[in-house]
Amino acid sequence: EAQVTQNPRYLITVTGKKLTVTCSQNMNHEYMSWYRQDPGLGLRQIYYSMNVEVTDKGDVPEGYKVSRKEKRNFPLILESPSPNQTSLYFCASSQDSDYGYTFGSGTRLTVV
Amino acid sequence: ILNVEQSPQSLHVQEGDSTNFTCSFPSSNFYALHWYRWETAKSPEALFVMTLNGDEKKKGRISATLNTKEGYSYLYIKGSQPEDSATYLCAPGSGNTGKLIFGQGTTLQVKP
Repeated sequence: EAQVTQNPRYLITVTGKKLTVTCSQNMNHEYMSWYRQDPGLGLRQIYYSMNVEVTDKGDVPEGYKVSRKEKRNFPLILESPSPNQTSLYFCASSQDSDYGYTFGSGTRLTVV
Repeated sequence: ILNVEQSPQSLHVQEGDSTNFTCSFPSSNFYALHWYRWETAKSPEALFVMTLNGDEKKKGRISATLNTKEGYSYLYIKGSQPEDSATYLCAPGSGNTGKLIFGQGTTLQVKP
């Protein structure tokens, strides 16, 4: 089944403890992206990637890192999480910029 | 940062009513316009991607039009059904980079 898989689905962590949210797609898509969704603010793009080793900042990249060492994987790294990073995170992938994105199921992160 | 406006913010209609929403965006540096449907507790699902001025796409009872010169897109739902209840998001992309800016969405509630 064609899909984008994010893990974990739910995570509660403490301030400052490094964490990684994994994202993997099995569709051989070139483009991948991370978003966060907050009430009243909608979906905001954190980072995006056009291919292996090609990444760029979205609108809210502060406090996040990404890597794209393989085409299928695009992990989101929070080096030192803070409470303002409590949010619902989505990973998404697309064949290219003329196609819609397929979204993962989301990761609900709480930083206390 | 692109300023993407969607209106109305929310809409309540009766089953069988037809409805339409608007997405406005700056026309400069436009590349593609995405529409997504987002049901509660699920992930956003791609409806359409349009790139050409005057483009029109249709999927069942849902259709969309695009005016890149004036910077707007309309989404139409003919004969709304309760299962159409969702938030509809538009997202213009600038350049073929995968960068998307999402609007806040229009939330549609269809009453049986």
